[in-house]
Amino acid sequence: AQTVTQSQPEMSVQEAETVTLSCTYDTSESDYYLFWYKQPPSRQMILVIRQEAYKQQNATENRFSVNFQKAAKSFSLKISDSQLGDAAMYFCAYRTGTYKYIFGTGTRLKVLA
Amino acid sequence: NAGVTQTPKFRILKIGQSMTLQCAQDMNHNYMYWYRQDPGMGLKLIYYSVGAGITDKGEVPNGYNVSRSTTEDFPLRLELAAPSQTSVYFCASSYSPALSYGYTFGSGTRLTVV
Repeated sequence: AQTVTQSQPEMSVQEAETVTLSCTYDTSESDYYLFWYKQPPSRQMILVIRQEAYKQQNATENRFSVNFQKAAKSFSLKISDSQLGDAAMYFCAYRTGTYKYIFGTGTRLKVLA
Repeated sequence: NAGVTQTPKFRILKIGQSMTLQCAQDMNHNYMYWYRQDPGMGLKLIYYSVGAGITDKGEVPNGYNVSRSTTEDFPLRLELAAPSQTSVYFCASSYSPALSYGYTFGSGTRLTVV
């Protein structure tokens, strides 16, 4: 069965600095997508970034980038120039050909002024 | 604003009561989903729908029912509420089931069963 593991329940970062959130997953499939979602206090899940498993190039969206290591089944999220608005729960998610995501348990990110 | 709207935002139920969580989207998405999020856990799929009149079970369907009479609406019904159903419920929709498509989520309903 596929699993997604986020081993950091909570992380802190100073404003304007860089932080990396870790995610590992387990699967035997070759075709899948990986996502990072942000959940601010408003509770609404917001898509941050996605990565296709067949692409070696790491995805980047403005200040957000991923380090995708397919062989190691690792998918970390790097947030550069952290801002107060980045404070939220971050969920790593895996998606296959079925109608569902598999979510990790989340990492709470605190941004310190 | 376009998106997924969930009502109510909060609700307290007594054991054995029933209720319907409402979900509506105005993006003409065929694919809709219901998830629950327990404290300290990721989201788990309850039910999903691939279009009006078509629904199917997800990972944790017991104690819930759904219907999809229109493209826009996908209500989730709880019959005989139990404390184990205390959770935050999220509705989501997507334009396509293709792997590359992310979901649009509602802001959730926090349900407490006492």
